[in-house]
Amino acid sequence: GNSVTQMEGPVTLSEEAFLTINCTYTATGYPSLFWYVQYPGEGLQLLLKATKADDKGSNKGFEATYRKETTSFHLEKGSVQVSDSAVYFCALSPYNAGNMLTFGGGTRLMVKP
Amino acid sequence: DTAVSQTPKYLVTQMGNDKSIKCEQNLGHDTMYWYKQDSKKFLKIMFSYNNKELIINETVPNRFSPKSPDKAHLNLHINSLELGDSAVYFCASSHSTNPEQFFGPGTRLTVL
Repeated sequence: GNSVTQMEGPVTLSEEAFLTINCTYTATGYPSLFWYVQYPGEGLQLLLKATKADDKGSNKGFEATYRKETTSFHLEKGSVQVSDSAVYFCALSPYNAGNMLTFGGGTRLMVKP
Repeated sequence: DTAVSQTPKYLVTQMGNDKSIKCEQNLGHDTMYWYKQDSKKFLKIMFSYNNKELIINETVPNRFSPKSPDKAHLNLHINSLELGDSAVYFCASSHSTNPEQFFGPGTRLTVL
């Protein structure tokens, strides 16, 4: 079946540090890949996406590249801010099966001033 | 101009009760979903539904049932609530041709 594995948190960084959150997946076919962010007390917001191999999704300074050869979709940001503190979820949507998302376990990011 | 809304935001109830959570989307999407987020933040799909097909995650107890009065609404009905049902429940929607989903703010259910 489909699965997503992401690094366990919490990840604690100082402001302006470089961020990497690893995500690897298992799926048949060619899934679409997503990063969602959940700020404290809120629902999930789509951060970025990639729908085919070698696509790079980017938004708000965050980037992730769809690597089919390593089945990975690692999230990166060059300089984090305190306001980036949240839980980040990697997810995949299979080519079929009603577009249901399979999520990783989430990674909590804490950015200190 | 809320895209996906849920009511109530908080729900506290006793074991054994029956309760419903409502979800509405104004995005013109044709597919809606329910997800459960446990205390460790782990998210799991419960249902996917459009006007043609209901897809149920096989691990979901049959005490949970989605009810859709029209394309813009997908309510979640839960019978005989148990302590383990305590979680945050998220509704989401998308168009069947686009995998990008939009999420509601969540409903925190507490079963005492």
